[in-house]
Amino acid sequence: AQSVSQHNHHVILSEAASLELGCNYSYGGTVNLFWYVQYPGQHLQLLLKYFSGDPLVKGIKGFEAEFIKSKFSFNLRKPSVQWSDTAEYFCAVMGDTGRRALTFGSGTRLQVQP
Amino acid sequence: EAQVTQNPRYLITVTGKKLTVTCSQNMNHEYMSWYRQDPGLGLRQIYYSMNVEVTDKGDVPEGYKVSRKEKRNFPLILESPSPNQTSLYFCASSRGFVDTDTQYFGPGTRLTVL
Repeated sequence: AQSVSQHNHHVILSEAASLELGCNYSYGGTVNLFWYVQYPGQHLQLLLKYFSGDPLVKGIKGFEAEFIKSKFSFNLRKPSVQWSDTAEYFCAVMGDTGRRALTFGSGTRLQVQP
Repeated sequence: EAQVTQNPRYLITVTGKKLTVTCSQNMNHEYMSWYRQDPGLGLRQIYYSMNVEVTDKGDVPEGYKVSRKEKRNFPLILESPSPNQTSLYFCASSRGFVDTDTQYFGPGTRLTVL
């Protein structure tokens, strides 16, 4: 079975600070990796995704993530956060089961202070 | 506007009273899925559908039913709701069942079972 761990449950940063959110997954086969964001009162939106190729993936709004296979990690980064980045961030993995089921981590609540 | 819609957005009900949460997408997507989100657990897949009349169980199907009579609709049915089904429910859809297809999420339905 696949699983995802997000170790930071609540992160508070000041504007312009750099962000790194940790994500580790567990799965024995080929995985596809995702980061979703949920802004207050809104639905989940895809930030970025990794399927193959370059392990450094760039997404929307200046976010990027790096897939490190040896560490089973897919950490999310942004060099300079803005107040509008305040949201909940979810890491997700899709294994090669054929069900296309996304397994999500428990989420990280990011609060950016102006 | 391309979107996934869910109704109702909020629902309070009592144990044993059958209910249906509707999900509809206007993107002609083949794949649809239901998830539930619980604190500390992230999102977990309940049921999914690869196409009309093709449905299958996800990770947590107990107590739920689904149907896919039309491509655009994928209702979630709780025949006899119980308090442990109090949760936030998300419907998702994607173009096909290729892993590279992005899954789009609805706004969520917050269900409380008393």
